[in-house]
Amino acid sequence: GIQVEQSPPDLILQEGANSTLRCNFSDSVNNLQWFHQNPWGQLINLFYIPSGTKQNGRLSATTVATERYSLLYISSSQTTDSGVYFCAVRGNKLVFGAGTILRVKS
Amino acid sequence: DTAVSQTPKYLVTQMGNDKSIKCEQNLGHDTMYWYKQDSKKFLKIMFSYNNKELIINETVPNRFSPKSPDKAHLNLHINSLELGDSAVYFCASSQGIRTANYNEQFFGPGTRLTVL
Repeated sequence: GIQVEQSPPDLILQEGANSTLRCNFSDSVNNLQWFHQNPWGQLINLFYIPSGTKQNGRLSATTVATERYSLLYISSSQTTDSGVYFCAVRGNKLVFGAGTILRVKS
Repeated sequence: DTAVSQTPKYLVTQMGNDKSIKCEQNLGHDTMYWYKQDSKKFLKIMFSYNNKELIINETVPNRFSPKSPDKAHLNLHINSLELGDSAVYFCASSQGIRTANYNEQFFGPGTRLTVL
């Protein structure tokens, strides 16, 4: 089956800093999603991005399907950005990476 | 305006009991899913239904039985609960599951199941 690797596994940022999270996947996929799981456990959709680049406020994402990776950029981080960021890719089913745990300190 | 809702939010029960988790979506989607998130936060699909038809059935003990009375509902019944069933269970929905018309998945708030 498809393997999904996320890096880094953990990240600590000072408020206001920028960061890049990476998602590598092992095979061709039909689509890719980024999620944020907040400290209360909710899974929030960030991006549905099988290819190309999208932006939403301080967040943006780029997927290069031919090279089998996606990047999530967080700019001017805030404490509310803390939580776990998941990448999930779909072949015949949605497969999640192990996530990146982000802590933003004030 | 809850898109995907689950009940209950928390469920604490004794080993050996039978319990159910309910899921409803009001997005008009035709495909629904159950996922399990373990203590290490790893998320894995368990089941998927498309228009009330079972599409995906991962290697899950047969103590777990999903039921879809209509395409807006997908319930999960668990028999003879074991300690290892303790986890957070997420319901999700999307429009379409076939490659050509698959869209993004939206998740419910989760049900935290604790088996004592």
